[in-house]
Amino acid sequence: QVQLQQSGPGLVKPSQTLSLTCVISGDSVTSNSAAWNWIRQSPSRGLEWLGRTYYRSKWYNDYAVSVKSRIAINPDTSKNQFSLQLNSVTPEDTAVYYCAREAGQVFGYWGQGTLVTVSS
Amino acid sequence: EIVMTQSPGTLSVSPGDRATLSCRASQSISSNLAWYQQKPGQPPRLLIYGASTRATGIPARFSGSGSGTEFTLTISSLQSEDFAVYYCQQYNKWPSLTFGGGTKVEIK
Repeated sequence: QVQLQQSGPGLVKPSQTLSLTCVISGDSVTSNSAAWNWIRQSPSRGLEWLGRTYYRSKWYNDYAVSVKSRIAINPDTSKNQFSLQLNSVTPEDTAVYYCAREAGQVFGYWGQGTLVTVSS
Repeated sequence: EIVMTQSPGTLSVSPGDRATLSCRASQSISSNLAWYQQKPGQPPRLLIYGASTRATGIPARFSGSGSGTEFTLTISSLQSEDFAVYYCQQYNKWPSLTFGGGTKVEIK
């Protein structure tokens, strides 16, 4: 059974970097059949896919156009986890952030969610 | 970007009744559509993918249909645990995938 456990701060100051980590159990970040995603949810923007990392003989990343200039999603094979970094945050980045495992282009497993508030 | 529009915004249904939720895509997405259920304080849960295939462990009272731009999620006989918000998601154009705004199914 795949489980995803998220961690990271719930409060980030404007202009700083939002950093979250998702630890994977029951699967591997190097899986050739899964991809590892970050999705956020807010009342104003609904569910918004942010990006993913996946391994197919080498590492790949895809990012949403809306955040492409300030996002990085990185795997950590030694800890079987992946991370999200979102730079230059503003209050509009306030949301519940989820990590999710994608297989067959849909999200079958999700982390528990982390409410991140951007405020000074 | 493909825009997903769900209707109605809120659906009031009595337990045991049938619920029909709609999702429309701004352009054809073939059958590349998924449905999720979300309860308060929880992440979304995958119900349906490929427009009509139930995910593992999903009860048979949930069914999906449609292709192209018009899709439907039907809950044949609502149970108390089915009152939640339902989202559709298109994955026709990776990596640009998008979700609908959701339909809240509430107790009438």
